[in-house]
Amino acid sequence: QSMLTQPPSASETPGQRVIISCSGSSSNIGTNYVYWSQHLPGTAPKLLIYRNNQRPSGVPDRFSGSKSGTSASLAISGLRSEDEADYYCATWDDSLSAVVFGGGTKLTVL
Amino acid sequence: QVQLQQSGPGLVQPSQTLSLTCAISGDIVSSYSAAWNWIRQSPSRGLEWLGRTYYRSKWNNDYAVSVKSRITITPDTSKNHLSLHLNSVTPEDTAVYYCARQSRYCSSSDCYEVYFDYWGQGTQVTVSS
Repeated sequence: QSMLTQPPSASETPGQRVIISCSGSSSNIGTNYVYWSQHLPGTAPKLLIYRNNQRPSGVPDRFSGSKSGTSASLAISGLRSEDEADYYCATWDDSLSAVVFGGGTKLTVL
Repeated sequence: QVQLQQSGPGLVQPSQTLSLTCAISGDIVSSYSAAWNWIRQSPSRGLEWLGRTYYRSKWNNDYAVSVKSRITITPDTSKNHLSLHLNSVTPEDTAVYYCARQSRYCSSSDCYEVYFDYWGQGTQVTVSS
C-alpha cells in the first residue's frame, strides 16, 4: 500500500492539459519537497519535477508542479503522444525516515 | 553525463541472497553531493525505497524498516560502484530493482535534496526455485 495516493489512471486528448494529483500527510508532503518522475517501459525513469515545482534542465515547460498543504499535483499541458507513460510522485517521510512513493498514474493520450 | 549501469542475476533461489551491482560513471560514489539508493518495483508493492549509502566524512547507510534486517548496501571506491545484498529472499522479493542517485545542493542559505535525478536501467529479479 503506497503512502502517497495518486489516481491509477488519467486520460486526455492531444494538445489538452491534464493534472495528476498526489495526496499525502503532514509527515511527508506536508513538510517536505515533492518530486515527480516519468516511467516508460524498458527505459530508466526520468525526473520531471524536484523541489515541488522546479524542472531539471531539458524538461519542457509543458510540465509543471505545485504543492498545497498535504497535496501536490503535476500538470502537463499541450499533451503529446510521447507523454503516454506512468507518473510517480515521491517525497521524504519524517515518521518513517524513508522515501515514499505514490502508486503511480498511467496517463493515456487518446 | 551520469550513467548508472546495473548488473546481476535475474533469478535467485528462495532463502538465498540477492546481489546486484550498480556501476557509476560521470560521478563518484564517495561524492559529498550525492547519495546512492536502491529502489524496487513490483505489481503488488509498487515503488519501494530500500535504502541508500553516502559519504559525509564517513560512510553512512539508511535502510527501509521493511528490509532492515536483511539488507546491506556497500560502496566500492576502487571500482566506483555500489552493491545491494538482500538475504533470505522469498517470492515476495520478486521485483524490478533500480539504483538511483540522490543529489544534494547547497546555496548560501540552505541545502536541499533531489530525489532521484539519475536512475539505472532496472534489473528484473525473480525469486523462484
